[in-house]
Amino acid sequence: NAGVTQTPKFRVLKTGQSMTLLCAQDMNHEYMYWYRQDPGMGLRLIHYSVGEGTTAKGEVPDGYNVSRLKKQNFLLGLESAAPSQTSVYFCASSYSISSGGQETQYFGPGTRLLVL
Amino acid sequence: AQTVTQSQPEMSVQEAETVTLSCTYDTSESDYYLFWYKQPPSRQMILVIRQEAYKQQNATENRFSVNFQKAAKSFSLKISDSQLGDAAMYFCAYRKTSYDKVIFGPGTSLSVIP
Repeated sequence: NAGVTQTPKFRVLKTGQSMTLLCAQDMNHEYMYWYRQDPGMGLRLIHYSVGEGTTAKGEVPDGYNVSRLKKQNFLLGLESAAPSQTSVYFCASSYSISSGGQETQYFGPGTRLLVL
Repeated sequence: AQTVTQSQPEMSVQEAETVTLSCTYDTSESDYYLFWYKQPPSRQMILVIRQEAYKQQNATENRFSVNFQKAAKSFSLKISDSQLGDAAMYFCAYRKTSYDKVIFGPGTSLSVIP
């Protein structure tokens, strides 16, 4: 049981390049989330998903897209990276129908992204 | 809109001593959840403790306990017998029961002095 994993751990991009961050969870959780963390600002929700095939915007969705084609995976895409997207990105998941616990989120280890 | 405030950007505590981290929040809901998350230098977010608003009893987890004052909308975290491994960033968070979004505070950086 690996919990929540994120790939890659660290990446450097040039402005305008694209990339996809992968989040995977093996807890059969229904809900998955992508956050970004910036100094002094805590965590801000980018996008989230309440189930396979569904996604919704969070607080700071601009410049990002997401997909949830499989229940266990939640992908975060940057189509044209900008220096303002330099941040640490966290994925989280919560809630399995069998075990409840909807309100507690389990976090991945984070991905550090630097956009030059 | 719900907000979470942590008024102490940095705190320090002597090893083996007790420290209290403050958190206040704003909501019009009567039922909700509150959390404290710890983020050590490894950056992994770790759930420390959670509190259901409908429960009057304060949650405890080993050396960690909370002082939940619902009327004052205050949710402080007390760490007893502080250890070097407690040094981390601590985030207070709020979640409305029927909504999926978790609101995080800006965090408090805790240093533990040997």
